[in-house]
Amino acid sequence: RKEVEQDPGPFNVPEGATVAFNCTYSNSASQSFFWYRQDCRKEPKLLMSVYSSGNEDGRFTAQLNRASQYISLLIRDSKLSDSATYLCVVTGSSYKLIFGSGTRLLVRP
Amino acid sequence: EPEVTQTPSHQVTQMGQEVILRCVPISNHLYFYWYRQILGQKVEFLVSFYNNEISEKSEIFDDQFSVERPDGSNFTLKIRSTKLEDSAMYFCASSAGTGTEAFFGQGTRLTVV
Repeated sequence: RKEVEQDPGPFNVPEGATVAFNCTYSNSASQSFFWYRQDCRKEPKLLMSVYSSGNEDGRFTAQLNRASQYISLLIRDSKLSDSATYLCVVTGSSYKLIFGSGTRLLVRP
Repeated sequence: EPEVTQTPSHQVTQMGQEVILRCVPISNHLYFYWYRQILGQKVEFLVSFYNNEISEKSEIFDDQFSVERPDGSNFTLKIRSTKLEDSAMYFCASSAGTGTEAFFGQGTRLTVV
């Protein structure tokens, strides 16, 4: 089983749509969870950390379910600029970051 | 806003040559990392570094690779004898503490010919 699994997509949605991404992780000892975004041929950029109680940052909402080892990201009112690859990231042993393969989002006009 | 900087942005080298990729982490960060991303593939962990020593390395990080913090600001990745399969984007990252978010440099695109 992969350490971090994501649906590769692409998710192709119109502007203004709500879209949700899911991620599962295999290591129950993982302590920290993040969503990063990556534009084509650029570095990963932190989008938001994910907390057990769930958290929201503007149009973005992240949820964590430790029992199911599942993380989600909800994007409301999608913008063209949201088009990117969204990376689910968890910490492993010695707190290194382990990346999923990413979910590609395309927002069309 | 503090950022991680990497040089060069692009390096082309012949197979068998040594390359050194350079990084300046965020100044008050204590944990440093190198990751790589082969075109079209996921970001892969190479090595983590804390308190002037390697804290963890992956299977990719074999004897051809080494890291160094030669002074108080730079963090380098050396590949001694490059192979074609080393062609990738190499990202340096730093974080303030264990389990906290890491911030990435813009990457060095290494092309081995």
